[in-house]
Parts: sequence; C-alpha cells; structure tokens
Amino acid sequence: ETGVTQSPTHLIKTRGQQVTLRCSSQSGHNTVSWYQQALGQGPQFIFQYYREEENGRGNFPPRFSGLQFPNYSSELNVNALELDDSALYLCASSPVDSPLTSYEQYFGPGTRLTVT
Amino acid sequence: GENVEQHPSTLSVQEGDSAVIKCTYSDSASNYFPWYKQELGKRPQLIIDIRSNVGEKKDQRIAVTLNKTAKHFSLHITETQPEDSAVYFCAASMAAGNKLTFGGGTRVLVKP
Repeated sequence: ETGVTQSPTHLIKTRGQQVTLRCSSQSGHNTVSWYQQALGQGPQFIFQYYREEENGRGNFPPRFSGLQFPNYSSELNVNALELDDSALYLCASSPVDSPLTSYEQYFGPGTRLTVT
Repeated sequence: GENVEQHPSTLSVQEGDSAVIKCTYSDSASNYFPWYKQELGKRPQLIIDIRSNVGEKKDQRIAVTLNKTAKHFSLHITETQPEDSAVYFCAASMAAGNKLTFGGGTRVLVKP
C-alpha cells in the first residue's frame, strides 16, 4: 500500500503568478482534502474532493481552486499569488464510504510554497 | 464554524515523565477528534483518534480522553522518550464534510 505523495516538494513563485500543486492519494482512498499550514500554526482547511466533486470549502477566496481526477489524484491551483500565500500546502486522503461520516485523514509530505 | 483551542503551546518534560495536552472545541456537533504528531520538516502523522461515542482510548503509551459535556479532549503520553519531541496538533471534525479544524499546536520537548 503506497502512502500519500505530493509534488513538487518546494516551489518559489513571484507575486501575481499562478501555481499548480499535485497530490496522489493513498491506495484505496477516494477523498482528498487540502490544507494550508503557515509557519508555526496548525493546518487550515481549504477544500475537499469526494468522488471528483467539491465536498466542502474553508474560508479561502475563489482564486484557490481544485480538481480531483478519476484515479482520485488531485490538484490545487492558486491564481494571482500573494505574499501571504507562502506556506506548506498539505493534502490528506481518506477512505470515505459516505461524505456524512468522518474518517481518518492521512497527510502527504506537503509542498513548501514561497511567494516573493 | 468550529473553533479549537489547544494548551499549552509549549511543554517541556523530563524523560520518563508524563505529558498532557488539552483541547477545547466549540461546536457540539463535532464527533471525531484525531491527534497528529508533526516532526520538524515532516508531514502530520495520525497517532490516535477518538469518536464521540467513546470516552477514552489507549494505544501503548498514548491515550486520549473525551468529555462531550464540557467539550474538551486531552492527549496523555506516559513514560516520555526523546523521540516523543515534536509538535502535537489536536483537531475536531463534524460528520458532514469530514473537514478537520486544528488547534494551534503544542511543542513538546522531552529532555534526556
């Protein structure tokens, strides 16, 4: 059984640019959640995808968008990057039978995004 | 929405002693409470979790207790070892949406 993987590991972008981060979920997991972790803080929920549909969104602006593919991998896209977007972006996968039940979430290693 | 408060923010213990981290949550609809350990530069690792139909859960040296009435839950680590040094996060989730709301974290230092 393979774990959650993310790419790239690190990324440096300039303010105003766009970025795409990628996540491969753990084998057998059909749900992916994305979190932003600023330095010294707990992860903040961005959104979740369940069977290719968005299933909940946190307090993030529309320039944060995502996709989930038929193989349950996922992308996080951020447009018009701002300095405050600098953070560790984590994805987590879950084996969800129903979106109405909470399940264990297993995190990937994260992508460290630096916006200059 | 849900709000999770975590205390203390830092905790220094002597090797072999116990460590206790406490969290409170605001939304009585929350029913799933995981704990994560995050070592420097690494991913959060799920170490134990508890659901609202259970009051206590144990796994070797770690245990979690939940008081639904008071809306707080705690992590207990016994016989601490240097490898327990890390940042620990509590989180809460409602059934619908499976979204985790995290506490601010506790940096635990186990001194040999």
